[in-house]
Amino acid sequence: EAGVVQSPRYKIIEKKQPVAFWCNPISGHNTLYWYLQNLGQGPELLIRYENEEAVDDSQLPKDRFSAERLKGVDSTLKIQPAELGDSAVYLCASSLDQGQYNEQFFGPGTRLTVL
Amino acid sequence: LAKTTQPISMDSYEGQEVNITCSHNNIATNDYITWYQQFPSQGPRFIIQGYKTKVTNEVASLFIPADRKSSTLSLPRVSLSDTAVYYCLVGDYKLSFGAGTTVTVRA
Repeated sequence: EAGVVQSPRYKIIEKKQPVAFWCNPISGHNTLYWYLQNLGQGPELLIRYENEEAVDDSQLPKDRFSAERLKGVDSTLKIQPAELGDSAVYLCASSLDQGQYNEQFFGPGTRLTVL
Repeated sequence: LAKTTQPISMDSYEGQEVNITCSHNNIATNDYITWYQQFPSQGPRFIIQGYKTKVTNEVASLFIPADRKSSTLSLPRVSLSDTAVYYCLVGDYKLSFGAGTTVTVRA
């Protein structure tokens, strides 16, 4: 079974430029998560989707970050414009359903460097 | 959301048992305890989950005392490949990973 796929794996941009990350969850997984992970810290939840609906985006900096999950499958996370402090790893995860009982499967992440 | 406290780092040697204790004093009645493992340049990976007493799988054991205010992840006979960061999480989908415990296994 294929795991969570993310692309690109690495991205280097200059500040104020836009950037987008793509995630393809495991087939059949209704719940999709985007996390941000800074160096030396654990992942922090940005947004959670149930199918195509964003059910928790309270941690998403909406002035510059946006996300979508078209047709309840693939998802895209966008930053516009990027700032130096956005340099981090962006992780996508999926699970069969919401709730703590459902194991989350993580992708390898996209490492963003903002210069 | 229950807050967790775990050691920042632990060192061990190959073949030893590693026990990582996580404190979660304000755990709620319906909260489960979940542990994830993360290797460098990879996303976290589920290890084990439990509610009370003891849970064992092919990778680890999880010990949870009756008051559930702490839990201990036990990794038997570790190898160099067990060097990773281990996260203790408690509660619902807003998983708060914290900084985790960096376990370093030496030859």
